[in-house]
Order: sequence, then structure tokens, then C-alpha cells
Amino acid sequence: EVQLVESGGGLVQPGGSLRLSCAVSGSTFNPRWAQWVRQAPHKGLVWLSLIRSDGADVKYADSVKGRFTISRDNAKNTIDLQMDSLRVEDTAVYYCLVGAGWLPDHWGQGTLVTVST
Amino acid sequence: EIVLTQSPGTLSLSPGERATLSCRASQTVGKNYLAWYQQKPGQAPRLLIYDASTRATGIPDRFSGSGSETDFTLTISRLEPEDFAVYSCQQYAYSPLTFGQGTRLDIK
Repeated sequence: EVQLVESGGGLVQPGGSLRLSCAVSGSTFNPRWAQWVRQAPHKGLVWLSLIRSDGADVKYADSVKGRFTISRDNAKNTIDLQMDSLRVEDTAVYYCLVGAGWLPDHWGQGTLVTVST
Repeated sequence: EIVLTQSPGTLSLSPGERATLSCRASQTVGKNYLAWYQQKPGQAPRLLIYDASTRATGIPDRFSGSGSETDFTLTISRLEPEDFAVYSCQQYAYSPLTFGQGTRLDIK
């Protein structure tokens, strides 16, 4: 069974940076696409970014383009999300997802990011 | 960007009743790459339906998906107590991938 465990969330001030990491276990990691999705308190799901198995194809939502960077280390089975220039509205639970294609078939349990003074 | 609009925002029904949830896309969803998720408080979303009508592994057959192009429906034939949750649709045909805003299914 595939397991995803996110880490790196916490409290950060506006304008600050945070790096989230997702550890993937229980599966052949390399062929899979990976994504990040977030959910603000009491709000809906918002897709943020995806990365191809070889890391050569990445895509971002307009709301985070230029501020967030997705990356992966296939040797370590990890997917990272570097978040810079954080805003109050970036406060959310951040989920890591993997799938054979763009359909995510496994989700992590999420990590909470709070951007506040 | 494909905007997904779900209706109703909240649906109040009783166990045993039939639930019909709608997801309308602002443009055609290619290859019917439309998924439905169930989410309970404090939990990650759970994949129910993909490719508009295919049940994910382990999903009971009271859940069914239908529709094509811009209009999609999730039907729960007979509601069980554990079905009361928030349901979201997602298109994964085009980047940016997008979600609907969700439908809350409440116990009446």
C-alpha cells in the first residue's frame, strides 16, 4: 500500500518561506506523477502544482506561479514544495498526492501551514 | 482554466434516500477526465469515481457517476449514515487541474 507522509508545515510570517516535504513509501515511485493540493480552513480544495516522474515537466496554478517550486528526489522517494513570499491567504492544509497520470490515486494526510504575524 | 460549479451547495437528506449531486464545467472536459471525492472532517479526500463513471477500488456500488462533456452527476442510491460528508469534483484533463467548490451532504 502506498503511503505519503507530509512534513515541514508550521507557522511563518508573511513574506517568509517554508519547505514542505512528502515521503513516499510502499510503491514504485519513479513512474508516478506527483502533485500538491491545498485546502484553506472551511474552504474547498485548490490544486497547486504537479511534476512528472523524471522531473522534466512541471506545472503550477497561477496563484502560486513564481512563488512556489515543486521538485522531487527519486533516489529518496520525496517530493518537495518550496514556498516563498508567503501570504496570509496561503494558510491551509497542504496535501501531497501521487498517481500514475494526472489522476491522483493516493493522498497524504496533509500538513498545516499558517501564515500570520 | 476550466471552472467547475457544483450544485447544490448543501443537500439535506435522510438515510435511505437517494442523493444527486451535480458538477458543471465551463468547457468540455476532455476524455471525461472527471473525478469525484468524498471528504470527512479532519481527513484527506477519498477518491470515489474517476473517468466520470468508473468506481475506484473498494467503493460501494451505491455510488455511481455519469455525464459527459460539461455536465456530470454523482448519485448515491441509498444513503448510509457514513455517506454524510463533503463531495468535490475535479477535472484532470487540462492544466491547471481544477476542483469544484464542494457539496455538503447533511443529515436531515
